[in-house]
Amino acid sequence: AQSVAQPEDQVNVAEGNPLTVKCTYSVSGNPYLFWYVQYPNRGLQFLLKYITGDNLVKGSYGFEAEFNKSQTSFHLKKPSALVSDSALYFCAVRDMGSGGYQKVTFGTGTKLQVIP
Amino acid sequence: NAGVTQTPKFQVLKTGQSMTLQCAQDMNHNSMYWYRQDPGMGLRLIYYSASEGTTDKGEVPNGYNVSRLNKREFSLRLESAAPSQTSVYFCASSEYNREYYGYTFGSGTRLTVV
Repeated sequence: AQSVAQPEDQVNVAEGNPLTVKCTYSVSGNPYLFWYVQYPNRGLQFLLKYITGDNLVKGSYGFEAEFNKSQTSFHLKKPSALVSDSALYFCAVRDMGSGGYQKVTFGTGTKLQVIP
Repeated sequence: NAGVTQTPKFQVLKTGQSMTLQCAQDMNHNSMYWYRQDPGMGLRLIYYSASEGTTDKGEVPNGYNVSRLNKREFSLRLESAAPSQTSVYFCASSEYNREYYGYTFGSGTRLTVV
C-alpha cells in the first residue's frame, strides 16, 4: 500500500522569507510524486511533479520541490514567499507499479499562511 | 475553457433524501474520480473509473453509487443522504495510467445534509 504524510497542519511564514512545506511518502516501488495547491473555494491545481531524473523539480509560481530517496521525502520550497501563496497544499504519491492501473494517494494537506 | 465541470456547486439536503452530483470533462481523459474533502482528512477517494465501462470502489464508498455514463461523464449518487455525508465533493480526471501528467479537478460541490 502507498501512503503520504504531511506532518504540519499549518505553516506560517513572513512575506519575503523562504518557505518549506514537508511531505514524506511510502511506496513499495519507485514513486511518482506531486504537489497540488488549493485556493479557497476552488478545486486543486497541479503545481509540480517528480517522475525521474534531477532531484530538484521546478514548478509553477516559483515553487520547487526536492526529492530525497533515502529520506523518502518530497518537500515543497520557495525562496521568497508571497502573500498570494497562502493556500492549502497537498502532496500526493503514486507507485510506478509493474503494470495495470495505479491510483494516486493524497496527503491531508498543509495550510500555508504568509504573513505580510 | 477545457476542464472538469461539476454541478451543482451548492446543495442542502434533508436526511434520507437522494441526489446525484454531475461531473463532465472535455479533455478526452479516460479516467475519472470522485473525492470528498473533510477538514483534517484530506482527500478521500470514493469511487473511480479507470476507463469507460469500468467503476471501482475507493476508500470510502459506503452510501454512494456511481455511473460512468460515457467517456465524458461520471455521476455520483447519494441514495439516502446522512449528516455524515456533509462534505465538499470533487470530481477529477486524468489520462489512463498517465496520472504523472497530473489530475484535473472540478471546482467542487459543497453538500450539507441536515
